Amino acid sequence: KAGVTQTPRYLIKTRGQQVTLSCSPISGHRSVSWYQQTPGQGLQFLFEYFSETQRNKGNFPGRFSGRQFSNSRSEMNVSTLELGDSALYLCASSLSGGIQNEQYFGPGTRLTVT
Amino acid sequence: AQSVTQPDIHITVSEGASLELRCNYSYGATPYLFWYVQSPGQGLQLLLKYFSGDTLVQGIKGFEAEFKRSQSSFNLRKPSVHWSDAAEYFCAVGPRSNDYKLSFGAGTTVTVRA
Repeated sequence: KAGVTQTPRYLIKTRGQQVTLSCSPISGHRSVSWYQQTPGQGLQFLFEYFSETQRNKGNFPGRFSGRQFSNSRSEMNVSTLELGDSALYLCASSLSGGIQNEQYFGPGTRLTVT
Repeated sequence: AQSVTQPDIHITVSEGASLELRCNYSYGATPYLFWYVQSPGQGLQLLLKYFSGDTLVQGIKGFEAEFKRSQSSFNLRKPSVHWSDAAEYFCAVGPRSNDYKLSFGAGTTVTVRA
């Protein structure tokens, strides 16, 4: 079956703009998590959605938001982009949420803010 | 506060030699423990995980890891490295709950020389 897909794969934005990233989980998976990966801060948890509800949230400012649709697809939005938001954004899905279910990661969206 | 330390930023190993990657964690209670691998341009792939039971866990691609509670460590090993093992390896911890909120180490980049 198809893996986790993320679109777009690459994105260039200007400071102050906003951006929306999309993640389609593996079919049947209901939990979607988002992570930010940067050389300086490493991999950091952004948030997790399960059945259209945000269940967990990391320590990121309110400019970072997300949502999940009834088909489990998820989007994350970053408003008022800053240079420091340049990163690889990874999405991961799991069957029913809960840490004992394996997370499957997508290839990521590379966001560059200029 | 939770933290995951991977002391080695970069390791170079000869093909066929053994590999050990170190991971130490600081956590309120024994967490769930994971090792992931990330190849260039790819998302993360789960190598193995420890929840409970036998402290030596076997994973995919010939990797194994040993949990040592007294040392708060979860070191990853492979007896004989293949060139395809060149990648970045991440240790991660998560709470013993339904919260899928992983904390990652900074990663260790493994280079394999012929």
